[in-house]
Amino acid sequence: DVKVTQSSRYLVKRTGEKVFLECVQDMDHENMFWYRQDPGLGLRLIYFSYDVKMKEKGDIPEGYSVSREKKERFSLILESASTNQTSMYLCASTLPGSFGELFFGEGSRLTVL
Amino acid sequence: QKEVEQNSGPLSVPEGAIASLNCTYSDRGSQSFFWYRQYSGKSPELIMSIYSNGDKEDGRFTAQLNKASQYVSLLIRDSQPSDSATYLCAALFGNEKLTFGTGTRLTIIP
Repeated sequence: DVKVTQSSRYLVKRTGEKVFLECVQDMDHENMFWYRQDPGLGLRLIYFSYDVKMKEKGDIPEGYSVSREKKERFSLILESASTNQTSMYLCASTLPGSFGELFFGEGSRLTVL
Repeated sequence: QKEVEQNSGPLSVPEGAIASLNCTYSDRGSQSFFWYRQYSGKSPELIMSIYSNGDKEDGRFTAQLNKASQYVSLLIRDSQPSDSATYLCAALFGNEKLTFGTGTRLTIIP
């Protein structure tokens, strides 16, 4: 089975702090994604990556950056956290050419105070 | 803005009945469509994909696609309490970005 592991299930941070959300997958998938999920807004794509050191902006990249130094690891960075970034963050991965069949991690619930 | 629209529900269906979930999308160029199930407090999991007009059946689940009318539906036959979840419809725009609807919350009443 594909396993996508997110390092932190729950985080509480203060406004202005730098936040790292880590995601690791163990199935040698090329494509990795970061979504946030908010009530009434659904899942929205922040960034995705289809190869090491490659990144593409999703629909809501503002206030976020990403890093993909190794194939299995995709990190989401909030340079200066703000309260409107309080959300559930979901990492996902897929096989090449299979952008619709996502395998999700368990999610990281971030609260910014 | 490419969109996927779903009725947020909640939709309540008696156990054993057919649950019907609907979704419309804005981009006629979309070719691929997916249904994900998300239990409360869990992450989404893929349950069905459909790429061509018509019906696709998998066990108790049937996905239906009508590209002319730009809608996708999911039928769940013989609904079980374990089917209670939020169902997310998604469409692939431009072959790279999967866009999700806001989801329909389904409750199966024993």
